Amino acid sequence: DAGITQSPRHKVTETGTPVTLRCHQTENHRYMYWYRQDPGHGLRLIHYSYGVKDTDKGEVSDGYSVSRSKTEDFLLTLESATSSQTSVYFCAISGDARNEQFFGPGTRLTVL
Amino acid sequence: KQEVTQIPAALSVPEGENLVLNCSFTDSAIYNLQWFRQDPGKGLTSLLLIQSSQREQTSGRLNASLDKSSGRSTLYIAASQPGDSATYLCAVLGAGSYQLTFGKGTKLSVIP
Repeated sequence: DAGITQSPRHKVTETGTPVTLRCHQTENHRYMYWYRQDPGHGLRLIHYSYGVKDTDKGEVSDGYSVSRSKTEDFLLTLESATSSQTSVYFCAISGDARNEQFFGPGTRLTVL
Repeated sequence: KQEVTQIPAALSVPEGENLVLNCSFTDSAIYNLQWFRQDPGKGLTSLLLIQSSQREQTSGRLNASLDKSSGRSTLYIAASQPGDSATYLCAVLGAGSYQLTFGKGTKLSVIP
């Protein structure tokens, strides 16, 4: 399995609080992605990174920001969490934009 | 906008049966198509990646085919086993895009 870890694995927080999720990889892959998975919607891309400090928006980026200061770490921040951001968040990596994507174990976030 | 559909949403088969899972997509301009497996509460495991120039890929008991012009892919599972029970997801990478578009999956149950 690709070396991808996500932290925390579970988090419960309150509306209006900031939340940061971390994705860490040991594969030295250039591309990293954040997805959310919701019943009835499937997986949707939030943001992605194509290199250190290089990021761009995905399909559902409103309310989220990202940062990538090192190849191995990609952070997803909810500046002010809302109940609609309750979801399971997955990080993925790939060596090239056209290559296979490998997924992390996920973070289950509940916003009360 | 690319849309990916997987039919059926759920499938139950007896152990040992050969089965086919279907995936269709609306825009044939794709780089590749990827099949994933997801176990309950877990992340996604990549099963097969088919590039747009390929017609099929095989891995063990799994065979995936791609007909780009008709916007269809199938995942064939031979001699199904109870351990194959999971949700199977299809995702396409659009040409000129960094974003995987996912179907909502087929939940497979293999009955001993």
